[in-house]
Amino acid sequence: AQSVSQHNHHVILSEAASLELGCNYSYGGTVNLFWYVQYPGQHLQLLLKYFSGDPLVKGIKGFEAEFIKSKFSFNLRKPSVQWSDTAEYFCAVNAYTGTASKLTFGTGTRLQVTL
Amino acid sequence: KAGVTQTPRYLIKTRGQQVTLSCSPISGHRSVSWYQQTPGQGLQFLFEYFSETQRNKGNFPGRFSGRQFSNSRSEMNVSTLELGDSALYLCASSLGLGSDTQYFGPGTRLTVL
Repeated sequence: AQSVSQHNHHVILSEAASLELGCNYSYGGTVNLFWYVQYPGQHLQLLLKYFSGDPLVKGIKGFEAEFIKSKFSFNLRKPSVQWSDTAEYFCAVNAYTGTASKLTFGTGTRLQVTL
Repeated sequence: KAGVTQTPRYLIKTRGQQVTLSCSPISGHRSVSWYQQTPGQGLQFLFEYFSETQRNKGNFPGRFSGRQFSNSRSEMNVSTLELGDSALYLCASSLGLGSDTQYFGPGTRLTVL
């Protein structure tokens, strides 16, 4: 069975600081990788995704993530965070079998950006 | 396009009762998945439906069940509610190709007293 680990549970940054959130997954087959964000009081929104091709993917609001297959990692980055980035971030893996799909989520990282 | 909608948004039930939650997917999406979100366990997969058939199931007791209708709308039912069933229940829809992106609804907040 697949699993996802997010190493940082709570991160506090000042505005304009750089962000990197770690995500590692465990699964031997083909995976699709996602980062979702949950802003306070809002529903889960897709931030970015990786299916194949260029391992560096860009998402909304200046976020990007790099898929490193040899390390089973999919870390999220942003060069300069804003106060509005305060939210909970979830890494997810879809280890699809060709038909059925199932997202396995990490435990989430709560990001707090201070002014 | 309208997003995934879930009704009701909030529910309060007592132990032993049963509850039915509803989800309407994005137009054209044929797959609906359900997840449970709690502070302790995080986001956990319940089940996935495609073309009215359950295609995948998570590790939840048989009290949790679901179904999907011909218009792709889905319902989830929890019988004999327990305190531990208090959670945010999220529905997600996708095209149903197996490897595509899931889009989430706002969730139904269930409180069991």
